[in-house]
Amino acid sequence: EIQMTQSPSTLSASIGDRVTMTCRASQSISNLLAWYQQKPGKAPRLLIYKASNLQSGVPSRFRGSGSGTEFTLTISSLQPEDFATYYCQQYERYSYTFGQGTKLEIK
Amino acid sequence: QVQLQESGPGLLRPSQTLSLTCSVSGDSLSGGTYYWTWVRHHPRKGLEWMGYIYFGGTTYYNPSLRGRITISVDRSKNQFSLQLDFVSDADTAVYYCARGDDYGGVLDFWGQGALVTVSS
Repeated sequence: EIQMTQSPSTLSASIGDRVTMTCRASQSISNLLAWYQQKPGKAPRLLIYKASNLQSGVPSRFRGSGSGTEFTLTISSLQPEDFATYYCQQYERYSYTFGQGTKLEIK
Repeated sequence: QVQLQESGPGLLRPSQTLSLTCSVSGDSLSGGTYYWTWVRHHPRKGLEWMGYIYFGGTTYYNPSLRGRITISVDRSKNQFSLQLDFVSDADTAVYYCARGDDYGGVLDFWGQGALVTVSS
């Protein structure tokens, strides 16, 4: 099973900040990585697929990058609705696995 | 717009069988394009991909659940279902159904989730 490790676990930031979070895979997954946003009591929402492709309807301030084993999700200018928990997920190899999440908090 | 909705009992006793149904609207389970998937969110362990069913009835299950899990489809009702046998408190979680693209790896539409608690 491919292990996905996200850092940091918690990230504190202010409205308008640029933030970056990291996801590392225990082995190469090429670019087969997705990012999801989850708010309390809600289902995860797909943001990014194939490491850098923006899902339809997702604001352009979200940007994904990386390949192989290291990936990043950057939010260029934080908006109030962006405070949530973010998960990465690999789909290069069964069974697909998620990271443990990065919680983005208001500073 | 594609919508998914989970339904089923929210409280189980240990060793019982968990049964959840996902009703799909805005897409057809007979279409043969997507992988209809179950994911659960443990309170402390995080998100766990459980498995999917694909066109023709092909399934793939997380090996950690193999032997206990069955995913099936009822195309006449446009629903797919999850069955998990011999539950324990470790199966307490929020269960989500989702539509998967790209061999089921990209989950683009999700249900709102169903909390299942296993307790004696």
